Amino acid sequence: GENVEQHPSTLSVQEGDSAVIKCTYSDSASNYFPWYKQELGKRPQLIIDIRSNVGEKKDQRIAVTLNKTAKHFSLHITETQPEDSAVYFCAGYILTGGGNKLTFGTGTQLKVEL
Amino acid sequence: DVKVTQSSRYLVKRTGEKVFLECVQDMDHENMFWYRQDPGLGLRLIYFSYDVKMKEKGDIPEGYSVSREKKERFSLILESASTNQTSMYLCASRDSGRNNEQFFGPGTRLTVL
Repeated sequence: GENVEQHPSTLSVQEGDSAVIKCTYSDSASNYFPWYKQELGKRPQLIIDIRSNVGEKKDQRIAVTLNKTAKHFSLHITETQPEDSAVYFCAGYILTGGGNKLTFGTGTQLKVEL
Repeated sequence: DVKVTQSSRYLVKRTGEKVFLECVQDMDHENMFWYRQDPGLGLRLIYFSYDVKMKEKGDIPEGYSVSREKKERFSLILESASTNQTSMYLCASRDSGRNNEQFFGPGTRLTVL
């Protein structure tokens, strides 16, 4: 099955700096890669996603890049703000025989310091 | 607005008890999922269901079972709770169509004493 690895597990940046979180996946059949943000005490919520036919996608201060050949994708947050502090999860999507499921990375705790 | 709700936010049970965690979604989604979330381990899939009465094992199904008698409801069952099942349990649902966004419930913090 799919295996998604995520690094780093913790990341601390100064407000205004950029943050980059990286993930690798194992199954070349995976074709959809979402990123979820989980604020303290809240549920994970989708912030951006990318499909395998696209190399990069941007939404305001966040962007995701995908390298299918190397089987890795990254989340980039520019001009970080305190409200960006959260746990971020990457995931890979694979279609199984009877349904479909996401395999999540282990998460990155991002702390934006003032 | 999609809503995924879970029956309890906090639950305390004793070892050996049978535990039911309920999840309900109101968007007619075909797919429903149960995860447990533990520090450093991320979101691990226990079971999922892609249709009524259908279920598939996830990555860590041991010690759990599920039930999906109605499309909107997906139940996670711990037949005999153990202390290593103390965790945060998250339910999620997703449509089978083009939109792959997965919506999570608020979570149930289960403590097994």
